[in-house]
Amino acid sequence: SQKIEQNSEALNIQEGKTATLTCNYTNYSPAYLQWYRQDPGRGPVFLLLIRENEKEKRKERLKVTFDTTLKQSLFHITASQPADSATYLCALDSAGSGGYQKVTFGTGTKLQVIP
Amino acid sequence: EAQVTQNPRYLITVTGKKLTVTCSQNMNHEYMSWYRQDPGLGLRQIYYSMNVEVTDKGDVPEGYKVSRKEKRNFPLILESPSPNQTSLYFCASSTRTSGVTYEQYFGPGTRLTVT
Repeated sequence: SQKIEQNSEALNIQEGKTATLTCNYTNYSPAYLQWYRQDPGRGPVFLLLIRENEKEKRKERLKVTFDTTLKQSLFHITASQPADSATYLCALDSAGSGGYQKVTFGTGTKLQVIP
Repeated sequence: EAQVTQNPRYLITVTGKKLTVTCSQNMNHEYMSWYRQDPGLGLRQIYYSMNVEVTDKGDVPEGYKVSRKEKRNFPLILESPSPNQTSLYFCASSTRTSGVTYEQYFGPGTRLTVT
């Protein structure tokens, strides 16, 4: 069956370090993958989209890689700050029952940046 | 301001009493979706819509109905709510081009309690 796994439920790192979050998937062949940030009680906010033919994408302190052979995406936050503390979700597309494309989310990794 | 609105934000109801949660977006997006979020289970898709009159089941459609009669609105209907539908619900919308569902914009969420 199809499965999306994000490395750990919680990740604690020291301020200034690089946080690396993992998204692994099985039985999917996504054309693209997205990363979102979610703060408690709020809706997710889009961060980055990376396509299957792109190895890496950057946006300010964020970097995403996408390895379709390993079926894995890595999400990096460099020079992390306490304000980066949130839950991070990966999402990818798959075929829905009606033949359309739906988006499925992983369960998320809660990142805590310690001052 | 570009946004997705949901109403109500909070709702406490009793088993079996039909309810509708409204969702509206002002960005002329084709793609709209409903999710529920539960602790430990992450964000799960209930239904999604590719465009007006085009809807498809997500991963957890049982007990829910949707309709898409206008591009901007995508209401979620619970015909006979049960306690296991107590959850935090999010509506989202997105553009969709060449097979890619781009960044989803999420509403503020509706916290539903069914007693």
